[in-house]
Amino acid sequence: DVKVTQSSRYLVKRTGEKVFLECVQDMDHENMFWYRQDPGLGLRLIYFSYDVKMKEKGDIPEGYSVSREKKERFSLILESASTNQTSMYLCASSLLRQGPEKLFFGSGTQLSVL
Amino acid sequence: ILNVEQSPQSLHVQEGDSTNFTCSFPSSNFYALHWYRWETAKSPEALFVMTLNGDEKKKGRISATLNTKEGYSYLYIKGSQPEDSATYLCLARGNEKLTFGTGTRLTIIP
Repeated sequence: DVKVTQSSRYLVKRTGEKVFLECVQDMDHENMFWYRQDPGLGLRLIYFSYDVKMKEKGDIPEGYSVSREKKERFSLILESASTNQTSMYLCASSLLRQGPEKLFFGSGTQLSVL
Repeated sequence: ILNVEQSPQSLHVQEGDSTNFTCSFPSSNFYALHWYRWETAKSPEALFVMTLNGDEKKKGRISATLNTKEGYSYLYIKGSQPEDSATYLCLARGNEKLTFGTGTRLTIIP
């Protein structure tokens, strides 16, 4: 089975800190995604990547950046964390850029910004 | 942004009863429709991926249908069990964007 691993389950940071959320997948998937989940708003796409060093903005990229230096790793960066970025962050991957295949999700990181 | 809507937002169903809920999506630039089940404290897991108009998929007591011309999909659960309690998410895939609906939170009452 595909494994998508997020580095932290819970994270508490202070306003203004730089925050790194790491995600690693072990099945050579081309696509990787970062979503945030907020009550009543569902899963919203922040950024996605379909290849090393490639990135595309999702629906809510403001305040975030990403890095994909290796195929298996996709990092989400909060340059200067703010309280409105308190949320559950989910990483996902899928096999092919143009394929309809399902997403495989990590277990999520609950980030609290104080 | 693809406008993907799910209804109802939440649902309480008696154990043993059958239920269904809806996902609606733009029918233009459609590529695929996914259903996921998200149980508390776990990761979302894929139930079905459908691409063709008229597709029907089944997995045990759960099934789904797809109408790409009118832009909707139904998820059916037959004979609900407590383990069916979860949030059910649909995802619509356009050209390259993937957009989730806000989910239907299902609670099965024993």
